[in-house]
Amino acid sequence: GENVEQHPSTLSVQEGDSAVIKCTYSDSASNYFPWYKQELGKRPQLIIDIRSNVGEKKDQRIAVTLNKTAKHFSLHITETQPEDSAVYFCATSKKDSSYKLIFGSGTRLLVRP
Amino acid sequence: DTGVSQNPRHKITKRGQNVTFRCDPISEHNRLYWYRQTLGQGPEFLTYFQNEAQLEKSRLLSDRFSAERPKGSFSTLEIQRTEQGDSAMYLCASRRESEKLFFGSGTQLSVL
Repeated sequence: GENVEQHPSTLSVQEGDSAVIKCTYSDSASNYFPWYKQELGKRPQLIIDIRSNVGEKKDQRIAVTLNKTAKHFSLHITETQPEDSAVYFCATSKKDSSYKLIFGSGTRLLVRP
Repeated sequence: DTGVSQNPRHKITKRGQNVTFRCDPISEHNRLYWYRQTLGQGPEFLTYFQNEAQLEKSRLLSDRFSAERPKGSFSTLEIQRTEQGDSAMYLCASRRESEKLFFGSGTQLSVL
């Protein structure tokens, strides 16, 4: 079945620096790649997503890049702020009966003030 | 709050007891998912409904687990004869035709 690997598992950056989280996937049929942010005790929240026909997408300080050939995609956060501290999950899905999301194991981001 | 609603937020039970969780998806979302999340891990897919039909079940979903969505609106997840290994956060999510999936706040189950 589909496997999604996410690195690093923890990331500590100084406020104002950039943070990059990377994911690789195994199923070449995957065509949708969302990123979720989960704060402690709260629900996962969709922060950005990208489809396979696009190589890059940006929303203010957040961007996602996709390399379909290499089967990896990355989340980039610029000018990090303490409120960016959370666990970030990548996920993939493909066009099948359920469109279910397969998640990575998460990256705990700590932004030091 | 018009998001995905889950009840209860927390459930503590003794091993061997049955528990039932409820999920109310976003109105008009015809697709509903149940996930399980353990500490330090990403959500794991359990089962999927399109309207009232349960179309996919994960191998993670043992015979002790059953889910229903009788009228294509709210859904329930029941765990029979709970085990300590069932302790986890149970998340419900819903969507319409687009891929964007919206999660509820989850039910945290602790089996003593």
